[in-house]
Amino acid sequence: DADVTQTPRNRITKTGKRIMLECSQTKGHDRMYWYRQDPGLGLQLIYYSFDVKDINKGEISDGYSVSRQAQAKFSLSLESAIPNQTALYFCATSVGGEQFFGPGTRLTVL
Amino acid sequence: GENVEQHPSTLSVQEGDSAVIKCTYSDSASNYFPWYKQELGKGPQLIIDIRSNVGEKKDQRIAVTLNKTAKHFSLHITETQPEDSAVYFCAVPVIGGSQGNLIFGKGTKLSVKP
Repeated sequence: DADVTQTPRNRITKTGKRIMLECSQTKGHDRMYWYRQDPGLGLQLIYYSFDVKDINKGEISDGYSVSRQAQAKFSLSLESAIPNQTALYFCATSVGGEQFFGPGTRLTVL
Repeated sequence: GENVEQHPSTLSVQEGDSAVIKCTYSDSASNYFPWYKQELGKGPQLIIDIRSNVGEKKDQRIAVTLNKTAKHFSLHITETQPEDSAVYFCAVPVIGGSQGNLIFGKGTKLSVKP
């Protein structure tokens, strides 16, 4: 079984809808991240959490919110989706400097 | 803050040739330099890393070299194979503040033609 899982893997939604992307991990890592990937722009950090009680904004947090429900779960929400949030979203965990990525969620906002 | 630039953005080679991807960084305090490989439909995965106390590290057909004076590090892939086709990202750690976070380059799409 995969160590970092993301649901859903693909989602198509409409402008203005609320969307939640979920991430679960079985690696036992305290640190978790949400990234956004756009073609040619690499991986941009949205939010990160060093433990259940510690959540921090990344470089592109506007329009997003997160919830760390447990050590193993870290959810990303788009309160009111807009078309320029169409992208590939990755969750990751880390320990000792290495990051472990989930398979990604492809989100399309029409 | 730290900045990382990665070149080229795309690279096409013939099977069996070598491929080199280079990243430059701005903070001389950086001390950890990983490379990630992202295959189609998957998340990035660490393939090799180097720490600032060594100049080169090899793992079979891949190697990473580091030039701390010039503040750049490179990924070298020899005897390329079609399965090397992927997007490669370099990264550097954030210094101070949110230590443990990484700043990623914009990626290099490598295509290996059979």
